[in-house]
Amino acid sequence: QERLVESGGGVVQPGRSLRLSCVASGLTMTFESVQWVRQTPGKGLEWVTLLTPDTRKQVYAESVRGRFSVSRDTRRQIVFLEMNTPRFDDTATYYCARHRDDVSFDLWGRGTLVTV
Amino acid sequence: SYVLTQPPSVSVAPEKTALITCEANNVATKAVHWYQQKPGQAPVLVMYRDGIRPSAIPARFSAATSGDTATLAISGVEAGDEAVYYCQVWDPSVHECVFGGGTQLTVL
Repeated sequence: QERLVESGGGVVQPGRSLRLSCVASGLTMTFESVQWVRQTPGKGLEWVTLLTPDTRKQVYAESVRGRFSVSRDTRRQIVFLEMNTPRFDDTATYYCARHRDDVSFDLWGRGTLVTV
Repeated sequence: SYVLTQPPSVSVAPEKTALITCEANNVATKAVHWYQQKPGQAPVLVMYRDGIRPSAIPARFSAATSGDTATLAISGVEAGDEAVYYCQVWDPSVHECVFGGGTQLTVL
């Protein structure tokens, strides 16, 4: 069974760093398309990171570009989101989610809450 | 930037058909995807590429896109369909993923 499980959320002071983890298991599709989407309290969804379907390039939403970065441990099937210099408006539930080549997200974790 | 506009709420009686719209400039030129999110849960993909249903989603769900409007239709609405529904597209020209603001579906 395909599954994504996030961890690492919590309370972080503005300007400090936090690293989120997403452990993937049972994936039948490419691991590199596991990315991050966030949802602010009581509000809607916002993409954070993506793999462009045409050039397979890692891209970041403008709101986090230059501050957040994605890395992977392919052997252990873990995706990390390094959150550097977080701001108050980064407070959100962070989901790792796999997207298809049409950039529809077909598998989601349960999310981890980050409070800045 | 590209904006997807959804009505904040839609109400429908049980067993009727709910129509949830998603409006944007020439949205028919993009692949539109739809998600269902129930309280305390992660979103679930219910429709992708305008009108394709994942295997686990019942046939009561359908979708279509024309011109500036994408529509998710849920026929024979049940109490369990009560949720927030989001539309989403990928804009390759600017490498941006866009979500609509979400529509709360209430079953009367």
